Amino acid sequence: QVQLVQSGAEVKKPGASVRVSCKASGFTFSVYFIHWVRQAPGQGLEWLGRIHPRSGDTTYAQKFQGRVTVTRDTSISTAYLELSSLKSDDTALYYCARENYGPDHWGQGTLVTVSS
Amino acid sequence: QTVVTQEPSFSVSPGGTVTLTCGLSSGSVSTSDYPSWYQLTPGQAPRTLIYNTNIRSSGVPDRFSGSILGNKAALTITGAQADDECDYYCVVHMSGGFWVFGGGTKLTVL
Repeated sequence: QVQLVQSGAEVKKPGASVRVSCKASGFTFSVYFIHWVRQAPGQGLEWLGRIHPRSGDTTYAQKFQGRVTVTRDTSISTAYLELSSLKSDDTALYYCARENYGPDHWGQGTLVTVSS
Repeated sequence: QTVVTQEPSFSVSPGGTVTLTCGLSSGSVSTSDYPSWYQLTPGQAPRTLIYNTNIRSSGVPDRFSGSILGNKAALTITGAQADDECDYYCVVHMSGGFWVFGGGTKLTVL
C-alpha cells in the first residue's frame, strides 16, 4: 500500500536550518509530485512547495522563496524539505503529501520546534 | 492573492445531510482545479476524503461525496454520524502547480 514515512521531530534554534525527509513506498516514486505543507499550532494548512521526482523540477510558495528547498533522492525514493533561517513562527507540523489530482496520501507529520 | 473560502462552521443532526462548500475569491471552482477535501483532527495527519473533485479515497464511506455545485466545490455527508464531528478543509490545485487551502469548516453533529 502507498506509504509516506517522515523523519522524526526536530528542535532547532532561531536562525538554524532543518531538513525533513519523506520516504515513499508502495508506488512508483518518480511519477508523482510530492508536496510539502505545514500546520502551525491552532492554524490550518499552508503550502510550501513541491517537486517532481523524475525531473527534479520544483515550485515554491512565494512566501518561502529563498528559505525553502525541496530535493529528492530517487535511489531511495525519498523527498526532502529544507527550511533555513528558522524563526519561532516556523514551529509547526510539517507534512509531505502525494499529488494525484489533489493530495491523496499524506505522511504522518514531523514536528519542528524553533526555540531559543 | 487567491483565497479559498469555506463556511466557518456548520451544524447537522445525527442521520441528517449536510453540504459544505469551497469557493474561490478569483471566480469559480471547476474540475480542472482538482478540488479535494480532507479531515483534520488534532494530533493526526490529514485524512483525504475526496480528491479530484469526486474520487473517494480508499476506505472512505460512500456517505461522503464530492461534486461541483454552481461555482463551488461541494462535500456532501449523508447520514451524519457523531464521529463526523471535526474540521473539514478543501484544497484547490492552482495553475502553476501550487495548492491553496481553505480556512476549514468546523462541523458539529447534534
